[in-house]
Amino acid sequence: KAGVTQTPRYLIKTRGQQVTLSCSPISGHRSVSWYQQTPGQGLQFLFEYFSETQRNKGNFPGRFSGRQFSNSRSEMNVSTLELGDSALYLCASSLALLADQETQYFGPGTRLLVL
Amino acid sequence: AQTVTQSQPEMSVQEAETVTLSCTYDTSESDYYLFWYKQPPSRQMILVIRQEAYKQQNATENRFSVNFQKAAKSFSLKISDSQLGDAAMYFCAYETDKLIFGTGTRLQVFP
Repeated sequence: KAGVTQTPRYLIKTRGQQVTLSCSPISGHRSVSWYQQTPGQGLQFLFEYFSETQRNKGNFPGRFSGRQFSNSRSEMNVSTLELGDSALYLCASSLALLADQETQYFGPGTRLLVL
Repeated sequence: AQTVTQSQPEMSVQEAETVTLSCTYDTSESDYYLFWYKQPPSRQMILVIRQEAYKQQNATENRFSVNFQKAAKSFSLKISDSQLGDAAMYFCAYETDKLIFGTGTRLQVFP
């Protein structure tokens, strides 16, 4: 079974631009979560989508948004990019058979550099 | 608020030896999951082992085992017979409705 895939793997943008990252979960997984990893803040939860609905959200500004499609694929969007948005963005999927508490499997990440 | 603390920023071990990585967490919940993830230089986050809080038995996956002390809120990872490929960042994580990660421990393995 194929793992979680993320595209693109690397991205360079300039301040003020917007960016869209994509995540395809493991086949059969219904929940997709997004995390931001930076040297200063570590790994932080952005949001989780389940059945096309945002089920949980971390403490990030409204410039960070996401969505999930009927095939469970998810996208996250960051508008008006700032230098501090440079990070590794990780997507994770889980079966979500229970309301929560399911093992999350991660993709390889998208490394975003904002200049 | 739930927090996860990894007090060892770096650890090193000789190949074939055993090393233990520490993790403590804070929560008022009684039912939760704990994980250890490994992140090699490729940055891919790889699941190492998971522990359900309601299980008293410590989880084991081949050379990896945990020492789960629920009352002490401690969840350490023991790596036996260390291999060069074990060198990576190791993150302890606590899960209720999302994963909360510790700051990580960088493990170096020397031949």
